[in-house]
Amino acid sequence: DIVMTQSPDSLAVSLGERATINCKSSQSVLYSSNNKNFLGWYQQKPGQPPKLLISWASSRESGVPDRFSGSGSGTDFTLTISSLQAEDVAVYYCHQYYGTPPTFGQGTKVEIK
Amino acid sequence: EVQLVESGGGLVQPGRSLRLSCTASGFKYDDYAMQWVRQAPGKGLEWVSSINWNSGRIAYADSVKGRFTISRDNAKKSLFLQMNSLRPEDTALYYCVRGCGGECYLVDRWGQGILVTVSS
Repeated sequence: DIVMTQSPDSLAVSLGERATINCKSSQSVLYSSNNKNFLGWYQQKPGQPPKLLISWASSRESGVPDRFSGSGSGTDFTLTISSLQAEDVAVYYCHQYYGTPPTFGQGTKVEIK
Repeated sequence: EVQLVESGGGLVQPGRSLRLSCTASGFKYDDYAMQWVRQAPGKGLEWVSSINWNSGRIAYADSVKGRFTISRDNAKKSLFLQMNSLRPEDTALYYCVRGCGGECYLVDRWGQGILVTVSS
């Protein structure tokens, strides 16, 4: 199974500051035939189901604010919130859908400092 | 609007069975793979099972293999999860989720979830 490891487990960032979450996969999730990374990012607020923010490592979903961005390739990925807003307080998960079973990172809790 | 509505959860004793259902609307159901993902109380996300658009490709997590069975009815736009020999560690919120295509397992839509509690 592909193991997804996120860092840090939690972080506290001041309003308007940058938040960076890292995700490392135990093997590459880059599919060479189409050069796509099978990596997504989700945001889960308390009492709600997760919401897809980023697909294919860097493609922002429709309606997602442009302060959210994804980057990386192969085994190392990053979710960046460029200017943290109060409504961004949540747990964020990375997810690989390259292999079976699909797997998720353990989650990163983002709070306001 | 895409909607996924789960039903069939509840409190069940260890060793018993439960069948979850999910009714889909707002999209062409038979164009998409479907999955179940669960979340134990206060914990992270765990993929449980997936089924492609025509039921030709099915997969299970090792933790449920041999006990759970996923199925779908495209005519009724429904997804099912038959859960047998339930264990306390199966206690979780179970989400019905949609893949991004017939053979794509990126989760792009989530239901609200249904709680399954396994306890004596």
